[in-house]
Parts: sequence; C-alpha cells; structure tokens
Amino acid sequence: EPEVTQTPSHQVTQMGQEVILRCVPISNHLYFYWYRQILGQKVEFLVSFYNNEISEKSEIFDDQFSVERPDGSNFTLKIRSTKLEDSAMYFCASRVYRGSYEQYFGPGTRLTVT
Amino acid sequence: AQTVTQSQPEMSVQEAETVTLSCTYDTSESDYYLFWYKQPPSRQMILVIRQEAYKQQNATENRFSVNFQKAAKSFSLKISDSQLGDAAMYFCAYRSATNNDMRFGAGTRLTVKP
Repeated sequence: EPEVTQTPSHQVTQMGQEVILRCVPISNHLYFYWYRQILGQKVEFLVSFYNNEISEKSEIFDDQFSVERPDGSNFTLKIRSTKLEDSAMYFCASRVYRGSYEQYFGPGTRLTVT
Repeated sequence: AQTVTQSQPEMSVQEAETVTLSCTYDTSESDYYLFWYKQPPSRQMILVIRQEAYKQQNATENRFSVNFQKAAKSFSLKISDSQLGDAAMYFCAYRSATNNDMRFGAGTRLTVKP
C-alpha cells in the first residue's frame, strides 16, 4: 500500500541554523500539508500546498518557514533560522483531490533545536 | 474559527471492555468532516475512523464506532472489546469542506489494562 515517507526521522540542529525537512507524498496525490506537534501538545496545522503554491497557512507559518515541491515528487519544509521553540515533531500529509477528505500522514520528523 | 475540544486528557479501560472518548467542536459551517486519529508511541498518525457531516448514519470500522450528534456538535469514539494494542493517544480532528486545514483536539491518552 502506498504511503507518505519523511526524511530524516530525527534531525538535530543548532539554533540559528537552516533545516530542510523532506517528504515524499503518495504519487497520485495533489494536496500536501505540513503539521507540527510540540511534545505533549496538539497537532497544529502549518500550511497546505496545491498546484505549486500555498493554498492556506496558519499564523504559525511565518517568514521563517517556506515550502517547495522542487521536483514533482518531494515536498519540503524549510526553516530558515531555527529557534529553540521550533523543536517539535513535523508531519507531512497528502490528499488525493478536492472531493476526497482523507489525509494520509507520514511518520514524522523529530526536530531538535539545541 | 473552528475549535475542537477533548475534555478527557486520560482514560483507561480494562482489556475486552468498552470505552468512549469524548469530542466536541465549534463551527458555524454545515458541511465538514470529522476524524479520529490514533497516535501510538511511535508517534505516527493513524486514521481510525471518519464521518461526513452530511451523513446521519454513524460511521463504524470493526471495533470502532462513533456517536455523531450534529446539533450538539459532539463526535465521540467508542472502542469495543479493547485490546492492548489500542493503547495510544487519540486525537479528534475537524476539517471544513471548504478549507484545507485540519484542526485537532488536545488528545486523550488511552491506557488499556490487562
């Protein structure tokens, strides 16, 4: 069964450094998402992406964040200058088309900022 | 803005017994989708069950069923014949039919006692 994959599973970085989290959505899916879950807290929506552009973003998704689909298969989340509070689990998700509603989540990337 | 509330931070159930997890939500929309996700210690988000708001019939997936009360904006999850593998965090989630973002509740940690 096809699934969403994410790399790396765990990323450790120093404060102020740039990180890129990678996701490979399910191949025929058209909508892509990033979510964040700070340890012990709820899962929070960051951004959705469709047709090579951001369709919606939350207040969390400020200028430090950007997303890209560089090559038709990968979907990346970049944090330009990481802060301690960016430490969290980051989940990628994808969905087939507008008429569907089920999002398939990847296994997540644990980001630790020291 | 839509909000999702899970009022039970923790629940426990005896193996083979039944447990119900509560979820309420706040929305002014009439068309939306509701989900329950399971997050085991591996932290992967696994879809348990989904419900379209326009359907009056409660969704059922094997041992999992929901009690969807649209007027009361309530969406509880019932787990029958609980198994040790059901132990996890359970998140209730709401998605508008028009928006892409998914709103999650704070989660309920379910413990299953042998």
